[in-house]
Amino acid sequence: EAQVTQNPRYLITVTGKKLTVTCSQNMNHEYMSWYRQDPGLGLRQIYYSMNVEVTDKGDVPEGYKVSRKEKRNFPLILESPSPNQTSLYFCASSSDMGNRYTFGSGTRLTVV
Amino acid sequence: AQSVTQLDSHVSVSEGTPVLLRCNYSSSYSPSLFWYVQHPNKGLQLLLKYTSAATLVKGINGFEAEFKKSETSFHLTKPSAHMSDAAEYFCVVIPPSGTYKYIFGTGTRLKVLA
Repeated sequence: EAQVTQNPRYLITVTGKKLTVTCSQNMNHEYMSWYRQDPGLGLRQIYYSMNVEVTDKGDVPEGYKVSRKEKRNFPLILESPSPNQTSLYFCASSSDMGNRYTFGSGTRLTVV
Repeated sequence: AQSVTQLDSHVSVSEGTPVLLRCNYSSSYSPSLFWYVQHPNKGLQLLLKYTSAATLVKGINGFEAEFKKSETSFHLTKPSAHMSDAAEYFCVVIPPSGTYKYIFGTGTRLKVLA
């Protein structure tokens, strides 16, 4: 089944403790992206990647890092999480510019 | 600059009555426009997509949307609401400038009353 898989689905962590949210897609898509969803703000793009080793900042990149060493994986790294990064995170992939995204099921992160 | 505005943060309808979720966009060019639906505790699912072909776009689950360039609108409609339609709906614009950067509206939460 074509899908984007995120792990974990739920995570509670403490301020300053590094964490990684994994994202993997099995559709051989070139484009991948991370979004955060906050009430009343819709989805905002954190980082995106147009191919292996090609990444760029979205609208809200502060406090996040990404890497794209393989086509299928696009992990999101929070080096020193803070409470304002408590949010619902979505990974998405797409085969082409302007084409539909396939979204993962989301990761609900709470930083205390 | 591209932007998208969803005019209602919450909409309530009775089961069996029509649904109208409003979306206006701002774009210097002819954009691609999408509607996505998010059911509780789920990811986002594509409902329908407009890419400069027919102005009336039919999607899944009986939803459709009409692109009106003169009004810069892309409202989502359904003739008869079902309880399973209760979800959050996002209007999305993609500029045609060679980027795959999605611009999301802030969402409309649809409540369907029995």
